[in-house]
Amino acid sequence: EIVLTQSPATLSLSPGERATLSCRASQSISNYLAWYQQKPGQAPRLLISGASDRATGIPARFSGSGSGTDFTLTISSLEPEDFAVYYCQQRNNWPITFGQGTRLEIK
Amino acid sequence: EVQLVESGGDLVQPGGSLRLSCEVSGFTFSNYWMTWVRQAPGKGLEWVANIKDDGSEKFYADSVRGRFTISREDAKNTLYLQMNSLRAEDTARYYCARDASRKDDHWGQGTLVTVSS
Repeated sequence: EIVLTQSPATLSLSPGERATLSCRASQSISNYLAWYQQKPGQAPRLLISGASDRATGIPARFSGSGSGTDFTLTISSLEPEDFAVYYCQQRNNWPITFGQGTRLEIK
Repeated sequence: EVQLVESGGDLVQPGGSLRLSCEVSGFTFSNYWMTWVRQAPGKGLEWVANIKDDGSEKFYADSVRGRFTISREDAKNTLYLQMNSLRAEDTARYYCARDASRKDDHWGQGTLVTVSS
C-alpha cells in the first residue's frame, strides 16, 4: 500500500499570503496524484488531478506540481474561502490512498 | 448538472447489514467508473471501493473486503454498497463519487452510517 504523508498537519496563515502544502508518497506514483478541498459539513471537492491539472471552475490561484514521490499544492494568495482541509490522493496503484490532510487555518 | 444523491444510511447494530444507494443524474452513468469513500467522525477520508464502468471489475479496501459489495444498476442510474457484518469502526459518512479517469470529480453529500448497540 502506498502511504501518502502530508505536511504540515496544520498551516496558519493570513488572507493574501501564499500557502504551500506538501504530499510525499512512500513510492513513486508518477503523476497520478489529486488534491481535494473539504470545508466543514461539505463533501470533498476536486481541485487538481494529474498532479498539476486544475479541475473545472477552480481558480487560477490554485496550482499543483511534482511527480514521482514529492508533490506540492500552492495557493498563491489566500482568499477567506480557502481556509479548509486539503487532502492528497494517489491513483497509481490499488488500493487508492489518501493523505491524512492538512488543515489550513486563519492566523 | 451532475448530481449524486446518497441514501440508506442508518443506525445499525454490530453484525448487522445495510445497503447504501447513490442515484446519479446529469451524465451517462454507464460510461463511468464509480467510487465509494467514507469519513469517520472527525477523521480523514478513506477509500472504500471502486467499480468499473461495465461492472466487470471491482476493487476494495482491505478493511471492507469480504464484508462489503459494490454494484451498479445502469437502468436505474444507481450505485450500491451492500454492507454486511458491520463493525463499530465502519461508523462514518459514506460518499459516492464519479471516477473520471483516475480522479473523483463529482461527489454526493454523503449518507451517515452509525454502528452501535
